[in-house]
Amino acid sequence: GESVGLHLPTLSVQEGDNSIINCAYSNSASDYFIWYKQESGKGPQFIIDIRSNMDKRQGQRVTVLLNKTVKHLSLQIAATQPGDSAVYFCAERVRGGYNKLIFGAGTRLAVHP
Amino acid sequence: EAQVTQNPRYLITVTGKKLTVTCSQNMNHEYMSWYRQDPGLGLRQIYYSMNVEVTDKGDVPEGYKVSRKEKRNFPLILESPSPNQTSLYFCASTPARTAYGGELFFGEGSRLTVL
Repeated sequence: GESVGLHLPTLSVQEGDNSIINCAYSNSASDYFIWYKQESGKGPQFIIDIRSNMDKRQGQRVTVLLNKTVKHLSLQIAATQPGDSAVYFCAERVRGGYNKLIFGAGTRLAVHP
Repeated sequence: EAQVTQNPRYLITVTGKKLTVTCSQNMNHEYMSWYRQDPGLGLRQIYYSMNVEVTDKGDVPEGYKVSRKEKRNFPLILESPSPNQTSLYFCASTPARTAYGGELFFGEGSRLTVL
């Protein structure tokens, strides 16, 4: 909920701009990554995922980029809309850890008109 | 509508008073899990269940119990709640058939305050 977002880094963007949310993951053995969106007062919602054998994956208005060399993941949102305002989490799955996801603390995205 | 339902959504209780947070999913998912979410921290897994009668500890299981007697239900039990269990709790589920089981379907959350 909203109280969770108060302690998080915030990215502020203008409506219509592109947003880039970054995430550093911890384990070089991680083989699967997911981005979740959490709106105020709601549970996390799946946005997009990527496997470690890929560098890039595109969805509708979203793109995830994976750089395994520096253990970095990013979520790009095109033409950001007010409805995109939320907390965004990345999560990693360590190889062999079926359904065991390690979640990042999250980034709050604030979209201004 | 496919969903994960948690109850109660909000609860204020006192130290030591046993409580149960229910979780039910209507998607016939094998895997279910409980997380807690605290300010500045990511979701941390409390317990998970791969199927009926199969449960295992997550990263922060102390002070919690679970049971999985039916596929659709996965209640979280706090036998003797303490103030450090004040948190936002999420139940999640996913089908076991996928090799990468990461797409979790989350409930709306249960905000628990222990005084």
